[in-house]
Amino acid sequence: KNQVEQSPQSLIILEGKNCTLQCNYTVSPFSNLRWYKQDTGRGPVSLTIMTFSENTKSNRRYTATLDADTKQSSLHITASQLSDSASYICVVSPYSSNTGKLIFGQGTTLQVKP
Amino acid sequence: DGGITQSPKYLFRKEGQNVTLSCEQNLNHDAMYWYRQDPGQGLRLIYYSQIVNDFQKGDIAEGYSVSREKKESFPLTVTSAQKNPTAFYLCASSRSPDTSEAFFGQGTRLTVV
Repeated sequence: KNQVEQSPQSLIILEGKNCTLQCNYTVSPFSNLRWYKQDTGRGPVSLTIMTFSENTKSNRRYTATLDADTKQSSLHITASQLSDSASYICVVSPYSSNTGKLIFGQGTTLQVKP
Repeated sequence: DGGITQSPKYLFRKEGQNVTLSCEQNLNHDAMYWYRQDPGQGLRLIYYSQIVNDFQKGDIAEGYSVSREKKESFPLTVTSAQKNPTAFYLCASSRSPDTSEAFFGQGTRLTVV
């Protein structure tokens, strides 16, 4: 069964610190892997999207990495800000899916404290 | 200002009633989707549509219905057959289903009272 597992489930860090969120997946083959940020009570917003051949993708203070051999992805947040407090969702698109059947992880809830 | 709009933001429904959630996009996207989000779980696909007048069931379609009469609109009806409808509902659209970024609406929180 295609699955996406994220860890940790929740994380608390101090403002200005870095952190790394993990995503392990069993979807194979896959077309692309995406990271979304979801503020409480809002819709998810895309941070990065990587194809299976890409290793890293950056978007401002967010850097996503992908290791297709170990089926792992990480999202590194640098110099965290209070506004980074949100849920971060890893999403994988199966290769042969032209139906938009994205497979979502359960998310990691990040809380940044002053 | 392009985007995807869901309404209402909050919705209350009495047991036994049908209710329709609105989703409109002006991004000229072909594909549209409805997801359900419950605490501690990943988003689950209810229905999706790749083109006007065509839609397909997702993983949890029972108790829901949709229509796609216009490219811009993809309303979701939560029927009385849905046993546990209280949830956060998200609508999304993408230019193409496979590789394009999916844009999400702001969500509708439905509560059954």
